[in-house]
Amino acid sequence: GNSVTQMEGPVTLSEEAFLTINCTYTATGYPSLFWYVQYPGEGLQLLLKATKADDKGSNKGFEATYRKETTSFHLEKGSVQVSDSAVYFCALNGPGGGADGLTFGKGTHLIIQP
Amino acid sequence: GAVVSQHPSWVICKSGTSVKIECRSLDFQATTMFWYRQFPKQSLMLMATSNEGSKATYEQGVEKDKFLINHASLTLSTLTVTSAHPEDSSFYICSARGGTSPKEQFFGPGTRLTVL
Repeated sequence: GNSVTQMEGPVTLSEEAFLTINCTYTATGYPSLFWYVQYPGEGLQLLLKATKADDKGSNKGFEATYRKETTSFHLEKGSVQVSDSAVYFCALNGPGGGADGLTFGKGTHLIIQP
Repeated sequence: GAVVSQHPSWVICKSGTSVKIECRSLDFQATTMFWYRQFPKQSLMLMATSNEGSKATYEQGVEKDKFLINHASLTLSTLTVTSAHPEDSSFYICSARGGTSPKEQFFGPGTRLTVL
């Protein structure tokens, strides 16, 4: 079945540091890939997505590229801010492109210090 | 737009009682709603998928008689945990899909259930 593996947290960085959160997946077919963010006390919000190989999703300075050859979808940001502190979830769904429920990684808690 | 609410945000109940959790799409019609369960420091695990007016589809290993799901309208789905036990204590999260972004899931804030 489908599975998502992402790096364990918490990840603590200083403001303006470069961020990488690794995510790899196992899936049949060609899934769509997502990064969700959960701020304290709020629901999960879609951060970015990619629906096919070599697609790059981007939003709010975050980027992730769908790498089929390495089955990865690593999240990156060049300069993090304190407001980026949250839990980040990598996820995928089936080739139906939204017809299925999502398979999530365990989440990575990101802490940005001023 | 695309706001999903859950009620209650937290609940404590005695073992053996039943608890109902509501999930509402506030500003769009949700053709499909999903229920997830999250243990501490674990992934969100999909429990079931429900479409308005039809029976929910449960994931393997999820007891449909214990976790009753009713998607009675395009804006409301309920999850009832029947005869709750301490092992049912968890964080339950719903998501809804529909409106102008039919392929995107919008998540509620979650409900913390503690069974004593």
